[in-house]
Amino acid sequence: NAGVTQTPKFRVLKTGQSMTLLCAQDMNHEYMYWYRQDPGMGLRLIHYSVGEGTTAKGEVPDGYNVSRLKKQNFLLGLESAAPSQTSVYFCASSPPSRGPHQPQHFGDGTRLSIL
Amino acid sequence: GQNIDQPTEMTATEGAIVQINCTYQTSGFNGLFWYQQHAGEAPTFLSYNVLDGLEEKGRFSSFLSRSKGYSYLLLKELQMKDSASYLCAVVDSNYQLIWGAGTKLIIKP
Repeated sequence: NAGVTQTPKFRVLKTGQSMTLLCAQDMNHEYMYWYRQDPGMGLRLIHYSVGEGTTAKGEVPDGYNVSRLKKQNFLLGLESAAPSQTSVYFCASSPPSRGPHQPQHFGDGTRLSIL
Repeated sequence: GQNIDQPTEMTATEGAIVQINCTYQTSGFNGLFWYQQHAGEAPTFLSYNVLDGLEEKGRFSSFLSRSKGYSYLLLKELQMKDSASYLCAVVDSNYQLIWGAGTKLIIKP
């Protein structure tokens, strides 16, 4: 059981380049999330999705776009990469929320450096 | 604003007990999570509290006081593998998770 899989695991970009990070989950979870994690800061929510075809902005959405065309996949796009987007990106998923207590399951992260 | 406070770093000895505190000020409260994150790895779920009191799960226990905006994670019989960061996260009134910066726990032999 793979759980949540993120690709790629590492990437170096030049300022202005674009790229897409892929997240795939095989747990049939409705909810999916993209976070960034920076030193000395908590995880910050970029965008999230509560179901196929729906997305919403999180705390720090600027400079990112997302798509959820299939239930199992959640894509994060960087339109024009900037050095401030150097970070570790985590994707997570959770079951449908009958209450707020469903834990999120995380992928192993994508380490992205923007030069 | 919303705020989660945790100590940045703690050191403890193998076999001992350590308590990691978390205080929060959020717009609403719908539960509090603790996650463990080893260096370079993904966060993994440890515990969830929504009612006041202590939840025990093996060597790990988590306590919540909603009136004080306070939680702690208690780790007993510390092992070297417990060296990790421990993340506190609160579910706010919009059912969004607000994350603390994490406490790095260093275990010494």
